[in-house]
Amino acid sequence: AQTVTQSQPEMSVQEAETVTLSCTYDTSESDYYLFWYKQPPSRQMILVIRQEAYKQQNATENRFSVNFQKAAKSFSLKISDSQLGDAAMYFCASETSGSRLTFGEGTQLTVNP
Amino acid sequence: EPEVTQTPSHQVTQMGQEVILRCVPISNHLYFYWYRQILGQKVEFLVSFYNNEISEKSEIFDDQFSVERPDGSNFTLKIRSTKLEDSAMYFCASRVTSGRRNIQYFGAGTRLSVL
Repeated sequence: AQTVTQSQPEMSVQEAETVTLSCTYDTSESDYYLFWYKQPPSRQMILVIRQEAYKQQNATENRFSVNFQKAAKSFSLKISDSQLGDAAMYFCASETSGSRLTFGEGTQLTVNP
Repeated sequence: EPEVTQTPSHQVTQMGQEVILRCVPISNHLYFYWYRQILGQKVEFLVSFYNNEISEKSEIFDDQFSVERPDGSNFTLKIRSTKLEDSAMYFCASRVTSGRRNIQYFGAGTRLSVL
């Protein structure tokens, strides 16, 4: 069974600063994908970034980047130059065979002006 | 940009009543999913659907739940006899193929309130 764990229920950051959200996962499979989803107050699930496990290079999307440590089964999200619009719940998720997504508990990010 | 559409955005029902949650996936997508998020908890997988049949379901998806693709565009989740604990946000998602290179696109969700 897959598990995804986010140990930080809440995080806060000052506008324009950098914040890192943590995620660990467990899977016995060798081929899998990892994701970070953003859920603003509207509760829509928005894909932020994804990482393919077979790729060693960390994924980046503009101000968002990941630190993927495969051996440690760690997948953290770094948000640079934080903006007020980044305030949301962030979910880490994994996908292996069978195609279901397994989500972590979420981290509520507050951005302070 | 194409998107997954869910209706209604909020559904209120009495305990024991049947509800149908509707989703219109992206038009060329072939794989469909339902997820559930109880308030304050993580998002949980319910069921996946392909080629007019369930391809995978979780332990949550018991006999009170069913899914259907009644026509070429809609994908529905039916809860036969709602319970208080069914109150949650229900998300529909779709993808082009089963390959993990293709991401799942989520709808905005339907908030179900069971009174």
